[in-house]
Amino acid sequence: DTAVSQTPKYLVTQMGNDKSIKCEQNLGHDTMYWYKQDSKKFLKIMFSYNNKELIINETVPNRFSPKSPDKAHLNLHINSLELGDSAVYFCASSPRTVQMNTGELFFGEGSRLTVL
Amino acid sequence: AQSVAQPEDQVNVAEGNPLTVKCTYSVSGNPYLFWYVQYPNRGLQFLLKYITGDNLVKGSYGFEAEFNKSQTSFHLKKPSALVSDSALYFCAVRDGYAGNNRKLIWGLGTSLAVNP
Repeated sequence: DTAVSQTPKYLVTQMGNDKSIKCEQNLGHDTMYWYKQDSKKFLKIMFSYNNKELIINETVPNRFSPKSPDKAHLNLHINSLELGDSAVYFCASSPRTVQMNTGELFFGEGSRLTVL
Repeated sequence: AQSVAQPEDQVNVAEGNPLTVKCTYSVSGNPYLFWYVQYPNRGLQFLLKYITGDNLVKGSYGFEAEFNKSQTSFHLKKPSALVSDSALYFCAVRDGYAGNNRKLIWGLGTSLAVNP
């Protein structure tokens, strides 16, 4: 039983294309996140949703658009892909918003995006 | 500004020896402190946390960490390292203030290599 699942696991595409990554959690958590991990393993938060409401929106190009149809799903759509978008994108969930819970995040296995 | 420092990019230790992975932090108010582990090509996994109470916290896989307020440190330790402990370790902190936009601040990670 996968707690936080992301698809696809690997994505190879050309510059300028549009792609989406999907995330689903079956833990009943209220809050979901998208993180980007670059080639140096640096972890950066991109977005956070709590019960379908956007609560964290870091300085991310507006080519990146998250969508949360319900609290169990958080998708990430990327327009006009650039070389610098190549990274591993992690979805995570937590029981409450960061300020309300202990900060324990449950991560998916990651989606490795390669832009050629 | 809030920050987390993991001063060592890499830690090498022989199997069976004790290990320490260092973390220092700077945050307003009372810190909430966390350690996560990332095995190769996997998502991050929660190891342990300090919120309040006993300064020595125990977590998964035999790891423990000691909160030291005067030194603003939260070093991760294990009495006897295993080869399977080889992974990337992340320290994270958040402040204790309320607000939906509070988020974890992540260290850059320390790669632990346990040699047989």
